[in-house]
Amino acid sequence: DAKTTQPNSMESNEEEPVHLPCNHSTISGTDYIHWYRQLPSQGPEYVIHGLTSNVNNRMASLAIAEDRKSSTLILHRATLRDAAVYYCILREKGGSEKLVFGKGTKLTVNP
Amino acid sequence: DSGVTQTPKHLITATGQRVTLRCSPRSGDLSVYWYQQSLDQGLQFLIQYYNGEERAKGNILERFSAQQFPDLHSELNLSSLELGDSALYFCASSVEVTGVYYEQYFGPGTRLTVT
Repeated sequence: DAKTTQPNSMESNEEEPVHLPCNHSTISGTDYIHWYRQLPSQGPEYVIHGLTSNVNNRMASLAIAEDRKSSTLILHRATLRDAAVYYCILREKGGSEKLVFGKGTKLTVNP
Repeated sequence: DSGVTQTPKHLITATGQRVTLRCSPRSGDLSVYWYQQSLDQGLQFLIQYYNGEERAKGNILERFSAQQFPDLHSELNLSSLELGDSALYFCASSVEVTGVYYEQYFGPGTRLTVT
């Protein structure tokens, strides 16, 4: 499984945008980029995923660099409920369905 | 609420004992995954079942085993427990269609404490 690198922690203020970076320099052409998050005392939850194009959903946006070696998860207006550990995960298209979690980025949202 | 249920929420047991963790997937999901989350190892994939059959294995110890029943619920059996097995155990489920990715939905977890 290709590896990802994320900052250990980030801080944001409530109602401001948050950009969570992820580096994946060894990504292959068939790897999807997935983001999950884990709120305190809960199981992980799916946020978003993409392959090459930027993606938007009700929770967040995913911006993927043209060379695909990095991506950014964008929370447009952070709320206190967005405080969580965010995991950037690569999964090969058609490969194993398992998720390989790294250490993730712990996001703190200040009121 | 993800729709995935896990029981029990908490479990405290002694070293050497055996426990069974139970997971009920979301309605219609055929795949069940088990993950272990400990402070030193983080979240690790243990095993996956699809429609009753073992599909993939991760770093699952030989003392651990799992199965998925005809009603699609799954059980994770942990035996000869050691202090290091203390962790959060998560179950996840997903619809699975070959070649198509669907997100995994995680349950609230079972916290196992081995004393």
